[in-house]
Amino acid sequence: AQKVTQAQTEISVVEKEDVTLDCVYETRDTTYYLFWYKQPPSGELVFLIRRNSFDEQNEISGRYSWNFQKSTSSFNFTITASQVVDSAVYFCALSAMNSGYSTLTFGKGTMLLVSP
Amino acid sequence: NAGVTQTPKFQVLKTGQSMTLQCAQDMNHNSMYWYRQDPGMGLRLIYYSASEGTTDKGEVPNGYNVSRLNKREFSLRLESAAPSQTSVYFCASSGLRDNPNEKLFFGSGTQLSVL
Repeated sequence: AQKVTQAQTEISVVEKEDVTLDCVYETRDTTYYLFWYKQPPSGELVFLIRRNSFDEQNEISGRYSWNFQKSTSSFNFTITASQVVDSAVYFCALSAMNSGYSTLTFGKGTMLLVSP
Repeated sequence: NAGVTQTPKFQVLKTGQSMTLQCAQDMNHNSMYWYRQDPGMGLRLIYYSASEGTTDKGEVPNGYNVSRLNKREFSLRLESAAPSQTSVYFCASSGLRDNPNEKLFFGSGTQLSVL
């Protein structure tokens, strides 16, 4: 069985602060993929990043960076110099093969509130 | 560039009423999914369809039925709505279900209230 834990239910920061969203996962598969999705107040789900289990290099995209550590089964997401537009619910998700097909398991999400 | 289109966007039902949520994608994707999102619960998979003509139960299938009408369309039916089915429903699609690398494309959601 797969499981994704986002222990932080809600985080509040002031604009320009850095913030890290934690994600811990469980899977028995050796090949799997990790995702982050963003859900702004408008409600749609926006894909942010995908990472495979064999690539532990950190990734940076503008103000966003991701730290993948297999040793601790974590895939944390950092926003540098946060902005009000970053306010959203962020979901971490895990995809692995299960009985011949892939299933995507979501964490419960972390609500990030960035105030001016 | 429509992507995944869901209708309706909002719906209010009385307990016991039935309704069908419609979903269509124009990306020629093989796999389609229905999720529900409840506060504090994240997204949970209701049903999915790996390809036209096949459907499978997800994590929370009770009280729902689905139909993969053709490659483009995947509908979700509530036969007798219950207040516990008050939720936001998302349809999604992806190219291949047997590839865990595939990212999902989501519709904009349907907010359903059952009174």
